[in-house]
Amino acid sequence: RKEVEQDPGPFNVPEGATVAFNCTYSNSASQSFFWYRQDCRKEPKLLMSVYSSGNEDGRFTAQLNRASQYISLLIRDSKLSDSATYLCVADNQAGTALIFGKGTTLSVSS
Amino acid sequence: NAGVTQTPKFRILKIGQSMTLQCAQDMNHNYMYWYRQDPGMGLKLIYYSVGAGITDKGEVPNGYNVSRSTTEDFPLRLELAAPSQTSVYFCASSYGPSGTFYEQYFGPGTRLTVT
Repeated sequence: RKEVEQDPGPFNVPEGATVAFNCTYSNSASQSFFWYRQDCRKEPKLLMSVYSSGNEDGRFTAQLNRASQYISLLIRDSKLSDSATYLCVADNQAGTALIFGKGTTLSVSS
Repeated sequence: NAGVTQTPKFRILKIGQSMTLQCAQDMNHNYMYWYRQDPGMGLKLIYYSVGAGITDKGEVPNGYNVSRSTTEDFPLRLELAAPSQTSVYFCASSYGPSGTFYEQYFGPGTRLTVT
């Protein structure tokens, strides 16, 4: 089983749409979870951390379900500038490294 | 702050050649990492360091070497380049360990082609 697994997409949505990405992780000992954003041919950048209680940052909401080992990202009112690849990330069992999913590609059109 | 810098941005190597990818950070971060990203794939950890003088292997270390003589610098050495090492290489750093929600900051990447 892959350590962090995501639906690769692409997700093609119109501006203003709500879109949800899901991710599963295999290591039940993982403690830290993140969503990173990667634009085409650029480096990954932190979008948001994912806490057990769930967290929201503007139009973005992240949820964590430890029992199901499942992470989600909800984007409301999509903008053209949201077009990117979204990487689901969990730390490894030792907490020494991050494990990245392959990413989910989002394309927002006008 | 410049953040994490990497040189070169692009490089073409012939099979069997060697090179060093440079990485530097000016944020006084203890933790530094090297990843490779192949097309359509996630980032794979090559090596990481938890401080000057301390390095350890990641998921895909074969064909690479690292050193960490200072807090700021973390070069990656490719010996006897092979076509399988064609990839984009990212260096990253963080203030604390991955298991404690410390953000990793990435450099702009080095695009390496081995032919």
